[in-house]
Amino acid sequence: EAGVAQSPRYKIIEKRQSVAFWCNPISGHATLYWYQQILGQGPKLLIQFQNNGVVDDSQLPKDRFSAERLKGVDSTLKIQPAKLEDSAVYLCASSPQLAGGYNEQFFGPGTRLTVL
Amino acid sequence: AQSVTQLDSQVPVFEEAPVELRCNYSSSVSVYLFWYVQYPNQGLQLLLKYLSGSTLVKGINGFEAEFNKSQTSFHLRKPSVHISDTAEYFCAVSKGSNYKLTFGKGTLLTVNP
Repeated sequence: EAGVAQSPRYKIIEKRQSVAFWCNPISGHATLYWYQQILGQGPKLLIQFQNNGVVDDSQLPKDRFSAERLKGVDSTLKIQPAKLEDSAVYLCASSPQLAGGYNEQFFGPGTRLTVL
Repeated sequence: AQSVTQLDSQVPVFEEAPVELRCNYSSSVSVYLFWYVQYPNQGLQLLLKYLSGSTLVKGINGFEAEFNKSQTSFHLRKPSVHISDTAEYFCAVSKGSNYKLTFGKGTLLTVNP
């Protein structure tokens, strides 16, 4: 079974530029998560999708970050414009939606963003 | 709100020595508890989880953890570590399935020969 795919793996941009990350979850997984992992910290949830609807985006900086999951499959996270403090690893995760059971989150390898 | 405290940011040990990585959490409701491992330039991999039942949980790669409700702790242990266990370890809590994970800041385990 293929895992969660993310691209690009690395991205270097200058502040005020725009950037987009792509995530393809495990086939059949209804829930998709985007996490931000700043160096020296644990991952922090940015947004959670259930199919193509948003479940939780309370920690998404909506003035510059946006995300979409068209057709309930793959997803794109965008930053516009980027700031120095956005330098981090962006992790995508997906989980199935099994009734009455525990739904493990499976993580992709992440995209490492450096903002200069 | 939930929070997770990993008491040690770095733990150096020698190969074949035992190790304990400490984790405390705060929550006003019952939680699910997890330990994840992150190898360099890779995503997170689930080591083990506590959902309910026995407080001693066994995971992959010889790791285990004990849920202690009275002390709100979920410490990770391994009786004998290998060089290949060198990685960052994250403790996390969730209110339940399909609820967001709240992570600690991580503990870097370095196993020296």
